[in-house]
Amino acid sequence: AQTVTQSQPEMSVQEAETVTLSCTYDTSESDYYLFWYKQPPSRQMILVIRQEAYKQQNATENRFSVNFQKAAKSFSLKISDSQLGDAAMYFCAYRSGGGGADGLTFGKGTHLIIQP
Amino acid sequence: EPEVTQTPSHQVTQMGQEVILRCVPISNHLYFYWYRQILGQKVEFLVSFYNNEISEKSEIFDDQFSVERPDGSNFTLKIRSTKLEDSAMYFCASRTRRGGTGGKTQYFGPGTRLLVL
Repeated sequence: AQTVTQSQPEMSVQEAETVTLSCTYDTSESDYYLFWYKQPPSRQMILVIRQEAYKQQNATENRFSVNFQKAAKSFSLKISDSQLGDAAMYFCAYRSGGGGADGLTFGKGTHLIIQP
Repeated sequence: EPEVTQTPSHQVTQMGQEVILRCVPISNHLYFYWYRQILGQKVEFLVSFYNNEISEKSEIFDDQFSVERPDGSNFTLKIRSTKLEDSAMYFCASRTRRGGTGGKTQYFGPGTRLLVL
């Protein structure tokens, strides 16, 4: 079974600075998808960014980008120009690329604090 | 922009009672999911549903749980006899059948907070 590890229970960053959240995963598959979801205090799960394992180019979405290292099984999230609204729990998630297993496997999350 | 909706937002029930949590997935989506998140813990997959049948379920999804798509829009999770440990946030999610990363992306509803007393 796949596992997702987020080793930083909490991170703090000054507003306008850059922060990187780490995520590693364990899998024997070669085809899979990775996601970062944001969960603000409202507890809604909001998609931040996604990456296909076969794509070498790192995904970017405005201020959010990933550093995907397939060999190292690492999928970190970089938030540039941090804003107060970025404060939330961030979850890394894995999805098998196979036709069967479709449920997402989540990490335990990183609580991101933005200091004004 | 289309969204997944869930009702109720909060539900309080007595242990042993049955509860039904409702979800309306995004209208052109074909795959549906339930997840739960016990307070302070990670989100856990319960079940996926496609073409009117369960396609995958986790160990958590035991005989106390069932899912149904009673009509063309709703997707429900039933817990037959609730236990204290069923207290959690329950998320519904859906996705399309399109290929690529877009088609594999699950969009989540706002959740139902279930409290079992």
